[in-house]
Amino acid sequence: DQQVKQNSPSLSVQEGRISILNCDYTNSMFDYFLWYKKYPAEGPTFLISISSIKDKNEDGRFTVFLNKSAKHLSLHIVPSQPGDSAVYFCAASEGDDKIIFGKGTRLHILP
Amino acid sequence: SAVISQKPSRDICQRGTSLTIQCQVDSQVTMMFWYRQQPGQSLTLIATANQGSEATYESGFVIDKFPISRPNLTFSTLTVSNMSPEDSSIYLCSVASLVHEQFFGPGTRLTVL
Repeated sequence: DQQVKQNSPSLSVQEGRISILNCDYTNSMFDYFLWYKKYPAEGPTFLISISSIKDKNEDGRFTVFLNKSAKHLSLHIVPSQPGDSAVYFCAASEGDDKIIFGKGTRLHILP
Repeated sequence: SAVISQKPSRDICQRGTSLTIQCQVDSQVTMMFWYRQQPGQSLTLIATANQGSEATYESGFVIDKFPISRPNLTFSTLTVSNMSPEDSSIYLCSVASLVHEQFFGPGTRLTVL
């Protein structure tokens, strides 16, 4: 049973617009959430994270929002750029336990 | 961040054979992990590679199928034994000082015929 779900396999967004990637989780004990970005033929790279004690974390064009009551988090990219085209993985962990990954969402930034 | 290399980057193998994947890091790291990403699936942790002792395997993965070595703090190998087409995946190693701060290698794309 998947504990971290990314229900949109792909998403297309116009360059300059906002990209919103969504993620749901089932384990209420998760206390740390991460987003990774993956280009073809490369390993995933860490993008941004958020602790469960916060509801928002911002880093430049990237903002992650956490809604604990809904067990939902989202990654906002503003403005979207061509280099943002990649697969984005949502991930979560409980304490120092292993990281659980979602299946990923492929983001296409359209010119 | 650490620089991580994996060999081979890809391979095509016959069923019943074994393949050993190498992971090399440019600095000493506390933790090394091996993941598998099957087509259309998420990254799944296979095991934690422990330096000087047996790896710690996740549920569903066993040492006979995925033997792991970690002779020092910068190197580890994962062997996929007695391969079947279901083993066709991308295999990734990652390293970390903290579980939440993992850096991934480029991956090994394995196709089993």
